Amino acid sequence: EPEVTQTPSHQVTQMGQEVILRCVPISNHLYFYWYRQILGQKVEFLVSFYNNEISEKSEIFDDQFSVERPDGSNFTLKIRSTKLEDSAMYFCASSLEGASTDTQYFGPGTRLTVL
Amino acid sequence: KNEVEQSPQNLTAQEGEFITINCSYSVGISALHWLQQHPGGGIVSLFMLSSGKKKHGRLIATINIQEKHSSLHITASHPRDSAVYICAVEGGSEKLVFGKGTKLTVNP
Repeated sequence: EPEVTQTPSHQVTQMGQEVILRCVPISNHLYFYWYRQILGQKVEFLVSFYNNEISEKSEIFDDQFSVERPDGSNFTLKIRSTKLEDSAMYFCASSLEGASTDTQYFGPGTRLTVL
Repeated sequence: KNEVEQSPQNLTAQEGEFITINCSYSVGISALHWLQQHPGGGIVSLFMLSSGKKKHGRLIATINIQEKHSSLHITASHPRDSAVYICAVEGGSEKLVFGKGTKLTVNP
């Protein structure tokens, strides 16, 4: 069964450093999402991406964050200058249709630790 | 802004019991998702609902659009059902708003 993959599984970085989290969505999917979950808290929406552009973003997704689909398979989340409060689990998800008509397939997550 | 409330926060059951988890939201939606988060952290989508009822194996999800309420039922619960069950709603903008989750523990 096709699955969403994410790399790395765990990233440790120093405050102020740039990180890139990578995701490979399911190959025929058209909608892509990033979510984060701070330890012990609920899952939060960051951004949705469709047709090579951001379709929706949350207030968390400020100028420090960017997303890219550099080729036909990868979907990346970049955090330019990490802060301590960026420490969280980051989940990528994809779906064939949008969130009002289709289920989403989640990757296993990347645990980001900012020191 | 949609507020999503789940109840109960924690639920302990004996194997074989019928489980109900509730989700209420404050603003009209296009769809509601039920998700399962395993102890290891992975998230699996269980259902996407916009009306009525869906069934998959021992899981049943219902939604009442007028009352802004959804329920997830598990029949004949099993220890492997132990997980956090999360409700998330979508208001037509590709943005999901999540509840805090219900932690279910099923004892043998």
